[in-house]
Amino acid sequence: AQSVTQLDSHVSVSEGTPVLLRCNYSSSYSPSLFWYVQHPNKGLQLLLKYTSAATLVKGINGFEAEFKKSETSFHLTKPSAHMSDAAEYFCVVTPYNFNKFYFGSGTKLNVKP
Amino acid sequence: DAGVTQSPTHLIKTRGQQVTLRCSPKSGHDTVSWYQQALGQGPQFIFQYYEEEERQRGNFPDRFSGHQFPNYSSELNVNALLLGDSALYLCASSLDGGGSSYEQYFGPGTRLTVT
Repeated sequence: AQSVTQLDSHVSVSEGTPVLLRCNYSSSYSPSLFWYVQHPNKGLQLLLKYTSAATLVKGINGFEAEFKKSETSFHLTKPSAHMSDAAEYFCVVTPYNFNKFYFGSGTKLNVKP
Repeated sequence: DAGVTQSPTHLIKTRGQQVTLRCSPKSGHDTVSWYQQALGQGPQFIFQYYEEEERQRGNFPDRFSGHQFPNYSSELNVNALLLGDSALYLCASSLDGGGSSYEQYFGPGTRLTVT
């Protein structure tokens, strides 16, 4: 069975400070993991993905995530938040065959000036 | 190159009616997945179509059915609509067997309101 838990429903940071969005997963198989971002009234955009290659994954817009099997985590980070980062972020797990995707409940990121 | 397109963008239906939503995948993609995103929640997987067959299904009743055409486009049908079916319906496309290069692209969604 697969599942994803996003530990924070809301995160608020000041512009220029680091961002940490937490994600824990449960998977019966070697999973692939993704982070997507959803801006208001816009479609889901892929930020980055882990598919059993390097455990530290770099994505678009300065985001990165580290796959930690021992902790079953895939936290999303960014060194310095920008106002344009304000959006909802979803962590996603899928088994090796990509046949079924499980989304977390989402984390809304607020960036204060 | 057009990405994933969905139609219509908005739809209002009455309880008990039936609805059909449409999706055209990104060029070169052969797999289509459908998701339901209720307000304030993450998308929930409905089913995935590949080679014109339903390959995988989430926890949705049989009122939800789909179809994939030879050109890889897809339809989602919902019968006997309930108020709880009100949601954003997302279509996503991908290329089967992508391995480490696998990516799933999402369309903008169809907002369904059931009154």
